[in-house]
Parts: sequence; C-alpha cells; structure tokens
Amino acid sequence: DGGITQSPKYLFRKEGQNVTLSCEQNLNHDAMYWYRQDPGQGLRLIYYSQIVNDFQKGDIAEGYSVSREKKESFPLTVTSAQKNPTAFYLCASSTRDRVRQASNQPQHFGDGTRLSIL
Amino acid sequence: SQQGEEDPQALSIQEGENATMNCSYKTSINNLQWYRQNSGRGLVHLILIRSNEREKHSGRLRVTLDTSKKSSSLLITASRAADTASYFCATVSSSNTGKLIFGQGTTLQVKP
Repeated sequence: DGGITQSPKYLFRKEGQNVTLSCEQNLNHDAMYWYRQDPGQGLRLIYYSQIVNDFQKGDIAEGYSVSREKKESFPLTVTSAQKNPTAFYLCASSTRDRVRQASNQPQHFGDGTRLSIL
Repeated sequence: SQQGEEDPQALSIQEGENATMNCSYKTSINNLQWYRQNSGRGLVHLILIRSNEREKHSGRLRVTLDTSKKSSSLLITASRAADTASYFCATVSSSNTGKLIFGQGTTLQVKP
C-alpha cells in the first residue's frame, strides 16, 4: 500500500543535541511538507519542498533544517537552536496539478513523531 | 500567521444528530480544504472546495463556501461515534499558492 512513513513514533532529545526525524513516501509525490502541532493547536508549516533539491522556509523555520536529495525522502533535523522543540511533528506530501501547483491538491499525512525533551 | 479560524472550538452531540463547524479566513483564497484528525494520528483529507465553487458533497459531508463573507462550513449529517475527532480547515491564499494555512480546529465528540 502506498503511504507516508514517519519514524520514530516517539523521540527524546537531550539539551544541546540535534535530532533527525525521518519521512519517507512511496506515493510518487513531488511536494513534501513538515508541520509542527502544539497541544490543542492547528498545524504550523516549518519547511516545504516542491521538487527534489529545492525547499523553502515556512512560517517557523528557525531552529530546523531539511534536505531533499531524493523524491521519496524529506528528513527534518531539529537543531539545538530550537529552544522549545517539544511538539508533535507531521510530514505530508502531495501531487502537483497541471499548472504545477501542489497547493491545489490534497495533502497526505504520516502518523507523526512526538518529540520531547529529556 | 493563522488564516483560518474555526468555530466552535469544541462541540459535543448525540449519535444521529448533525454537526456543523464553521471556518472564517482573512484574505482571498485559491481553495479551502477540510481535514480530520483522530487523536494522536495524522490528518486525513476530507474535501477541497475551490474559490469558484459554493457547495460540495462527499457521503455524509457537505461543505459550503461563501467568499463574500470569507467563511466556510462543514456539515456532518447523521453523526456516528466514529466521527469523534478534530476537524481543521486550511486555506491556500490567492497571493501565495505554495502552502496551506491551517486553523486551530474544532474538536467534535459524538456520544453513543
């Protein structure tokens, strides 16, 4: 079955440590996204990528980094510069329509990674 | 910045009743999407409505869009306990079509 796989499901970060969250999709989607969700809140966009080897900052990119070396993979690194990393992180992907607009298409989500500080 | 705002924040109904959730937004949009999230899970896409559409149906779901009032509603008819979840609207701005902006969500509880 096609889908998006996020790993690990739970992750703990020590102070000063960088951690990397994995996101893999086998849907052959061009666009991929990373969101952060705090308790009782909506999703806020961290980074997004419309195509391999290209990505853009979202609304809350500070303290995070990404890479898009392969179409299937879009890992997110939470750096030590992110002082409040405790949250639920969601990865999503979508196709692009004929005018190459990913935002005109529905997004498919993984089941998230819950990150906490030790 | 949050574009969409849902109302109410929480809704509790009995099984079989209808549930209506509203979403308001601030700027001109290209499209508006509704998503559902079960506790501790990812989001699931429900319906996408474009700015030139006024109403869409999918099974027991009905979505309306009023661009003059910058608002949308999601109606779930004949609700079931399995509809218990959080529901989010998300908008794509006409001026920045690269991303979705999500609202805070409505938490729906359907009591059996």
